[in-house]
Amino acid sequence: EPEVTQTPSHQVTQMGQEVILRCVPISNHLYFYWYRQILGQKVEFLVSFYNNEISEKSEIFDDQFSVERPDGSNFTLKIRSTKLEDSAMYFCASSESSSNQPQHFGDGTRLSIL
Amino acid sequence: DAKTTQPPSMDCAEGRAANLPCNHSTISGNEYVYWYRQIHSQGPQYIIHGLKNNETNEMASLIITEDRKSSTLILPHATLRDTAVYYCIVREGGYSTLTFGKGTMLLVSP
Repeated sequence: EPEVTQTPSHQVTQMGQEVILRCVPISNHLYFYWYRQILGQKVEFLVSFYNNEISEKSEIFDDQFSVERPDGSNFTLKIRSTKLEDSAMYFCASSESSSNQPQHFGDGTRLSIL
Repeated sequence: DAKTTQPPSMDCAEGRAANLPCNHSTISGNEYVYWYRQIHSQGPQYIIHGLKNNETNEMASLIITEDRKSSTLILPHATLRDTAVYYCIVREGGYSTLTFGKGTMLLVSP
């Protein structure tokens, strides 16, 4: 069964550094998403992406964050000037369409900011 | 905020059916009910979704009341591997966001 893959599984970064989290969505999917989950808290929506542009974003997704689909297979989340509070699990998801189709999630990248 | 209410935890014996309830009394006509689960900090796993008819797939059954104000996810023969947090999510058709609540922690015991 096709799946969403994320790399790395664990990223440790010094505060203030930039980090790029990578995702390979399911191949025929057109909609891509990032969520995060701070330890012990709820899964939170960050951003959705379609046709090479952001379609929705949450209040969390401020100027520190950016997303890109640099080629036909990868979908990335960049966090500039990381802060301690950016430590979380980051989940990528993809879906065939935006309406009435489920989002399928990867197993996440654990980001630890020191 | 999540538009659903779920019990914080439930127990189920292995091999028995697990029935997980969800209240969504403010659901509107174009909103779907989705169920996901999360096993120990893995990514959320899609289980099933529906609008108003009952649905069944290889993982579970979804029973939605006629007034659509509540639903029940049924795992017909729970196994130890079904121990997870189960999330009931109401999602408006055409919108991207899945709004996760705290879910129900289902513990399946031998």
